[in-house]
Amino acid sequence: DQQVKQNSPSLSVQEGRISILNCDYTNSMFDYFLWYKKYPAEGPTFLISISSIKDKNEDGRFTVFLNKSAKHLSLHIVPSQPGDSAVYFCAAHGEGGYQKVTFGIGTKLQVIP
Amino acid sequence: KAGVTQTPRYLIKTRGQQVTLSCSPISGHRSVSWYQQTPGQGLQFLFEYFSETQRNKGNFPGRFSGRQFSNSRSEMNVSTLELGDSALYLCASSQGQAYGYTFGSGTRLTVV
Repeated sequence: DQQVKQNSPSLSVQEGRISILNCDYTNSMFDYFLWYKKYPAEGPTFLISISSIKDKNEDGRFTVFLNKSAKHLSLHIVPSQPGDSAVYFCAAHGEGGYQKVTFGIGTKLQVIP
Repeated sequence: KAGVTQTPRYLIKTRGQQVTLSCSPISGHRSVSWYQQTPGQGLQFLFEYFSETQRNKGNFPGRFSGRQFSNSRSEMNVSTLELGDSALYLCASSQGQAYGYTFGSGTRLTVV
């Protein structure tokens, strides 16, 4: 049972345009959501996070939106750059102490120059 | 500040053998987690250690085990290897979940 779902295995976007990566979750106990970026032959790199008390968090070109009622979050990258081409993982965990982090299967983003 | 170091980077083992993977977390990080990444499965949580104690465990068979030492370094062991154990094994350390996890580059295990 996949509690964190990334339904788009891949996405292609033109350089300079907006990239929108989507993630859905089923566990209502999840309280904290994270996005990671992974290049081939490297470990995932933490990008941005959001807690359930917020609906938006912004860091430079990256913005994460959370819709708790829909159990949906999205990562917006504006403007997209060729260096953003990577696999993006959505992750979530519950509140309090160290909770098990559940990852989605990832979405491969390709930014075309 | 040194990142998360995993050794070895690549490993080839035969079915039935056992393997031990090592992870050195970022200095000061007391939490170490292990993940298995396979194509189409994303990152599957194996287990998490904090101060030498296993805090959380994923849905993997008992052939997968781990431990953490007093210096926060962690090892993961897989016994009686199966072909399906071929994967990238990632270790991540954290100083607190609000800070996210820092991952190592992983150990690519191939079972033949």
